[in-house]
Amino acid sequence: EPEVTQTPSHQVTQMGQEVILRCVPISNHLYFYWYRQILGQKVEFLVSFYNNEISEKSEIFDDQFSVERPDGSNFTLKIRSTKLEDSAMYFCASSQGNNQPQHFGDGTRLSIL
Amino acid sequence: AQSVTQLGSHVSVSEGALVLLRCNYSSSVPPYLFWYVQYPNQGLQLLLKYTSAATLVKGINGFEAEFKKSETSFHLTKPSAHMSDAAEYFCAVSEAGGGNKLTFGTGTQLKVEL
Repeated sequence: EPEVTQTPSHQVTQMGQEVILRCVPISNHLYFYWYRQILGQKVEFLVSFYNNEISEKSEIFDDQFSVERPDGSNFTLKIRSTKLEDSAMYFCASSQGNNQPQHFGDGTRLSIL
Repeated sequence: AQSVTQLGSHVSVSEGALVLLRCNYSSSVPPYLFWYVQYPNQGLQLLLKYTSAATLVKGINGFEAEFKKSETSFHLTKPSAHMSDAAEYFCAVSEAGGGNKLTFGTGTQLKVEL
């Protein structure tokens, strides 16, 4: 069964540094998402992406965050200048269509020191 | 605005016993409802979804959930728990016509005891 893959599984970065989290969505999916889960808290929506543009973003997704689909297969989340509070598990997801089930990757654990 | 409430952050059942995980939602429009399961160090796996067809939805691993509009509930059940069901379960909602954003509940950790 096709799956969403995320790399790396764990990223350790110094505060203030830029970080890029990478995702390969399922190949025939058209909608892409990023969520995050701070330790002990609920999964929170960050951003959705369709037709090469952001379709919705949360208030968490401020100017420090950006997303890109640089080629036909990858979907990336960039955090420009990381803060301690960015430490979390970041999940990528994709879906085939509007309100179709979202399929999640195994996540990238981001630790900011 | 949509929201999800999961009552009970931890539920413990004996192997073979009924599993009942509670989920209540609020939504200003007809919702789409989902249950996801998360095993340790893994991502979220879809268990089942409600998309305004049948109110009783069957999912994988013997789980099912019933959509009750009058109670704004979407509780997850399984008749007989298995040790392999131990995991964290998340209820999520998205709004029809409101984009695809999933709003998650806080999760319920299911423990299955011998």
